[in-house]
Amino acid sequence: DIVMTQGVLPNPVPSGESASITCRSSKSLVYKDGKTYLNWFLQRPGQSPQLLTYWMSTRASGVSDRFSGSGSGTYFTLKISRVRAEDAGVYYCQQVREYPLTFGSGTKLEIK
Amino acid sequence: EVQLVESGGVLVQPGRSMKLSCAASGFTFSSFPMAWVRQAPTKGLEWVATISTSGGSTYYRDSVKGRFTISRDNAKSTLYLQMDSLRSEDTATYYCTTDYYWGQGVMVTVSS
Repeated sequence: DIVMTQGVLPNPVPSGESASITCRSSKSLVYKDGKTYLNWFLQRPGQSPQLLTYWMSTRASGVSDRFSGSGSGTYFTLKISRVRAEDAGVYYCQQVREYPLTFGSGTKLEIK
Repeated sequence: EVQLVESGGVLVQPGRSMKLSCAASGFTFSSFPMAWVRQAPTKGLEWVATISTSGGSTYYRDSVKGRFTISRDNAKSTLYLQMDSLRSEDTATYYCTTDYYWGQGVMVTVSS
């Protein structure tokens, strides 16, 4: 199984600052079509997860351009610019390169 | 408006069975692979199973293989999860999802 390892944030992050969340996979998530099969989700307290980006860097419809995904085949970053109170929650990376699909353990973002 | 509404969650004894349903509306259900993702209390997200658009292909995590069955009825725009031989470690909130869209989740508690 592909293991997804997420980093920890130095919480709380001051409102208006940037935050970068890291995720590492135990195997390359680049498929033969050239796409990188990595999703980012945000789960706000008490809510269902929300898709932020897919194919590593493509923002989902309606997602603020303050969220940007980047990375290589095994190391990924989700950058949140000018953080706001509404960005608080737990962020998960997920590989969809192969089954079984696997999530990272989550990275909590708190806003000051 | 897109809606995914799960139902069927209850308290059940270990070893018993339960069937979850997820009624979809507001999008072309038959065009999307569907999945179940669960979240144990205070824990992270865990992928459970995925079914292709036609239902002809299904994928499971090892811990539920042979006990859970994912299925769909495209005519009714409904996704199912038949769960047999339930264990205490299956206790979780179960979400149906297309990745883009998520239901509100349904709680399943396995306890004697």
